[in-house]
Amino acid sequence: NAGVTQTPKFQVLKTGQSMTLQCAQDMNHEYMSWYRQDPGMGLRLIHYSVGAGITDQGEVPNGYNVSRSTTEDFPLRLLSAAPSQTSVYFCASRGQGYIQYFGAGTRLSVL
Amino acid sequence: TQLLEQSPQFLSIQEGENLTVYCNSSSVFSSLQWYRQEPGEGPVLLVTVVTGGEVKKLKRLTFQFGDARKDSSLHITAAQTGDTGLYLCAGRLAGGYQKVTFGTGTKLQVIP
Repeated sequence: NAGVTQTPKFQVLKTGQSMTLQCAQDMNHEYMSWYRQDPGMGLRLIHYSVGAGITDQGEVPNGYNVSRSTTEDFPLRLLSAAPSQTSVYFCASRGQGYIQYFGAGTRLSVL
Repeated sequence: TQLLEQSPQFLSIQEGENLTVYCNSSSVFSSLQWYRQEPGEGPVLLVTVVTGGEVKKLKRLTFQFGDARKDSSLHITAAQTGDTGLYLCAGRLAGGYQKVTFGTGTKLQVIP
């Protein structure tokens, strides 16, 4: 049982480049979300989805796009990477009791 | 401004000591959770509290939800080196909100 799988684990981008962070879950959870983690700021919600075809913005959505075409996958797109987007990104899916299961994270550096 | 403020931000203690971590807000929450995160990994849920005044125990860890459901605390008795990690509280606002907001985190180091 894989749980939540994120790829890649590490990525270095140049300013202005675009990329997609992949997230897949095999627990048939409807709710999925993306967070970024920066020192001293905990986890901040970027976007979330309550089911296939439904997404909404979190606290820090600017510069990021998401889509949810299937229950399993919830990719996060950086349209034009900026140094301020250097961070660790976590994808999570949520089961019963509002328990969130997190992936191992993607460490992104934007130069 | 963070919705959930945790204190202290950093804590370094000797093995065997007791400690308390606080999670405070001016908002009311339907539920509050505590997660632990180890380096290079995602957070893992420790506990969920849903009732004002609720106390839950998980071995040497004691979690309390404030009576007004605006704050929570995590107390560790006789800390061990395996308790080292980042502790995060996370809350779901009262009013039927789906989103979960995380606190600023407390980094705990237990020295042998």
